[in-house]
Amino acid sequence: GQNIDQPTEMTATEGAIVQINCTYQTSGFNGLFWYQQHAGEAPTFLSYNVLDGLEEKGRFSSFLSRSKGYSYLLLKELQMKDSASYLCAVTKPGGSYIPTFGRGTSLIVHP
Amino acid sequence: DTEVTQTPKHLVMGMTNKKSLKCEQHMGHRAMYWYKQKAKKPPELMFVYSYEKLSINESVPSRFSPECPNSSLLNLHLHALQPEDSALYLCASSQGSGNTIYFGEGSWLTVV
Repeated sequence: GQNIDQPTEMTATEGAIVQINCTYQTSGFNGLFWYQQHAGEAPTFLSYNVLDGLEEKGRFSSFLSRSKGYSYLLLKELQMKDSASYLCAVTKPGGSYIPTFGRGTSLIVHP
Repeated sequence: DTEVTQTPKHLVMGMTNKKSLKCEQHMGHRAMYWYKQKAKKPPELMFVYSYEKLSINESVPSRFSPECPNSSLLNLHLHALQPEDSALYLCASSQGSGNTIYFGEGSWLTVV
């Protein structure tokens, strides 16, 4: 089975930095996705980590530790438009590598 | 261009109706997916097609019937749905298994 855990909700201030954590316990692991989903819209791809370490992409960075079953998404210079749900999704081998999603973290950015 | 197009955007149907959701992608992706998402919940996988063949059916009730007419199109036929089936239905595609999945904008379904 798979257990993926994220905080339900986080709040932060415009211009600040926020870190959204995701821990997972899975029977096998291949990689971890982060998606952003604005209310009423489809998820959009942010990052995919397979190897340990930090991957930076503009204001967003994603980190993975396979040994600890842990990932985080780091958002810098927060903007109001970053208010959204952030979904962590894990893929595992031995089949179809289909991602299983965590419940998502609702991030609220206020002025 | 990572674009998955879904129609209709919104659909209201009665419990005795038959309707279809449609999805199209022209990225040459060989895997296509249907997900269901309820409010404040993560997307839940329903079906996966790989090379136009159904490869995964996550124990979805038979009132949902997927169809993949060709490598670019994916349909979801709906019949005798229940009010609890009201949700956002997301189509997605990927180059293959294990590659990044790209979602369409979704079809909001309301069953009355």
